[in-house]
Amino acid sequence: AQKITQTQPGMFVQEKEAVTLDCTYDTSDPSYGLFWYKQPSSGEMIFLIYQGSYDQQNATEGRYSLNFQKARKSANLVISASQLGDSAMYFCAMREGLSDTGNQFYFGTGTSLTVIP
Amino acid sequence: KAGVTQTPRYLIKTRGQQVTLSCSPISGHRSVSWYQQTPGQGLQFLFEYFSETQRNKGNFPGRFSGRQFSNSRSEMNVSTLELGDSALYLCASSFRQGVGDNEQFFGPGTRLTVL
Repeated sequence: AQKITQTQPGMFVQEKEAVTLDCTYDTSDPSYGLFWYKQPSSGEMIFLIYQGSYDQQNATEGRYSLNFQKARKSANLVISASQLGDSAMYFCAMREGLSDTGNQFYFGTGTSLTVIP
Repeated sequence: KAGVTQTPRYLIKTRGQQVTLSCSPISGHRSVSWYQQTPGQGLQFLFEYFSETQRNKGNFPGRFSGRQFSNSRSEMNVSTLELGDSALYLCASSFRQGVGDNEQFFGPGTRLTVL
């Protein structure tokens, strides 16, 4: 089974509108972390936001927020007030387990977001 | 603070050759991970090093190997290159292991083309 599932290969959003990128995950470990990364056409992966499995509140970072629904195992990224520079690939990732298990991240297949002027 | 650097940025090789890619993590970071990114397979984990020890390894053949030096710099080597090895190879560093806000910081990648 896939650890991370992103079901939206491509999304379009009007500039200044909000957009939600979906992510579901699969783990039986009670300790895990969820991450979102942005990859522009230049190729570099840019960290956006983090949510820990024990965090009680949804994470927010500026225009990015993470809609964490633990029971449904979903961690959707919400981008508010979209900008043209938000056009990129977005990856959801998960790290599971405690410190002695290493630092392997599982990535989804990504969602290509295009912001329309 | 300087980010993760990878050299070279672009590389063209022919089948059967071998290649070595280099990654310098952010100063103070001890964990370095390598990923292969292709259009068909997405991002796939290769291996992770922490304090010069390989802590995790993905599902790749033995042609793919790596190491980490005492200054945390890391290299990965691919021997007997195949056409399917053409990919963007990303290196990521993090300060420590652990579930907390231990995000990985990625380098710009090395784009390898095998002819």
